[in-house]
Amino acid sequence: GQQVMQIPQYQHVQEGEDFTTYCNSSTTLSNIQWYKQRPGGHPVFLIQLVKSGEVKKQKRLTFQFGEAKKNSSLHITATQTTDVGTYFCADTPYSNYQLIWGAGTKLIIKP
Amino acid sequence: NAGVTQTPKFQVLKTGQSMTLQCAQDMNHNSMYWYRQDPGMGLRLIYYSASEGTTDKGEVPNGYNVSRLNKREFSLRLESAAPSQTSVYFCASSGQPNQPQHFGDGTRLSIL
Repeated sequence: GQQVMQIPQYQHVQEGEDFTTYCNSSTTLSNIQWYKQRPGGHPVFLIQLVKSGEVKKQKRLTFQFGEAKKNSSLHITATQTTDVGTYFCADTPYSNYQLIWGAGTKLIIKP
Repeated sequence: NAGVTQTPKFQVLKTGQSMTLQCAQDMNHNSMYWYRQDPGMGLRLIYYSASEGTTDKGEVPNGYNVSRLNKREFSLRLESAAPSQTSVYFCASSGQPNQPQHFGDGTRLSIL
């Protein structure tokens, strides 16, 4: 079945460094949703991308949808301790009601 | 504004016991979902209800049953708990299928 591959699994950064996570698919993605889960918490919706080539920003977070709608990325500029957590992407296929979730990228801030 | 409320927050069961996890949302959402998340892992869909009166299997339905009691409430039942069902269970809701999901705080379930 359709899969969404999310990389890397983990990323260790110094506070102030940038962070990027990528979601890739061999098939065309429908819409992409991004969620953040803090340690011990629940996933929280961040944003949805719909259009090919779309770029959206939320303060230090930049979300992109590839031109061919086969990949998406989340970039955080100048990470802060409040950014710690796991970031998930999810495809929303038109063919059924189940989101196709990536495995998540865990952002770890080095002390 | 409670959003999605799950009860209980923590539970320890013995193998073979049964239990029902409760979920209620106050956002007038049509769709509701049950996920499990094992330590360090992603989310796996157990069951979902696209609208009141319907339920469908997700990726990992074996060992579980669900009831969409009304538009607000969606419960998950473990008939005979097994250690492999030790996990964190999240309930979520969305206005319509495939719209952004709102999650509850989760139920941390341990089965001995």
